[in-house]
Amino acid sequence: DIQMTQSPPSLSASLGDKVTITCQASQNINKYIAWYQQKPGKAPRLLIRYTSTLESGTPSRFSGSGSGRDYSFSISNVESEDIASYYCLQYDNLPYTFGAGTKLELK
Amino acid sequence: QVKLLQSGAELVKPGASVKLSCKTSGFTFSTSYMSWLKQVPGPSIEWIGWIYAGDGGTNYNQKFKGKATLTVDKSSSTAYMDLSSLTSEDAAVYFCARAGNGVPFAYWGQGTLVTVSS
Repeated sequence: DIQMTQSPPSLSASLGDKVTITCQASQNINKYIAWYQQKPGKAPRLLIRYTSTLESGTPSRFSGSGSGRDYSFSISNVESEDIASYYCLQYDNLPYTFGAGTKLELK
Repeated sequence: QVKLLQSGAELVKPGASVKLSCKTSGFTFSTSYMSWLKQVPGPSIEWIGWIYAGDGGTNYNQKFKGKATLTVDKSSSTAYMDLSSLTSEDAAVYFCARAGNGVPFAYWGQGTLVTVSS
C-alpha cells in the first residue's frame, strides 16, 4: 500500500495568513492526489483533484502543486470559514490511501 | 444535483452484523462506482472498497475482505454495505461516496455512526 505522510498534524494561523500543508507519498503517484476539507460532523469536501485542478466552487485562494512523491496544498489569505481539517488522498494505486490529516486552527 | 442519503446511526452488539444504506439521486446510478469509507478520529480515513452499480462488480481493500460486503439495488438507486462480526474496532463513522471527474470520492453521503457496545 502507498503511505501518505502528511504534515503538519496541526497548524495555527491568523486571518489573512498563507498556510501550506505537504504530503509525501511512499512512491511516485503520478500527480494523482486530491485534497479534501472536512468540518466537524460533516463529510469531507473535495477541493482539488489531480494535484492542482480546483473543483467547481473552490475559492481561488486554495492551490495545489507537486509531482512524483512530493505535493503541497496552500491557502492564501486564510478566512474564518477555512478553519477545518484537511486531508490528502492518493488515487494512483489501489488501495486508495489518505494522509493523517491537518487540523487548521485560528491563532 | 447529486445526493447521497445514508441511513441513521446504529448501536449494535459485539458479534452482530449491521447493514448500512446509501440512497442516491441526481445522477445515473447504474453507471456509477460507489465506494464506502471508514473514519475513526486519529487513524484518519480508510477506503473499504467500491462496487460498480452496473454489474455489481467489486474491489475491496484487502484489510476489509471478510468484514464488509458491498451490494446495490439498481431499482432504488441504493448502495448497501454489510459489516459482519462487529467488534469495538469497527466503531466508526462510515461514508458512502461516488466517483466523479476521475476522482474516486467526489461526492459524499453525510455519514453513518456505528457504535459497538453490549
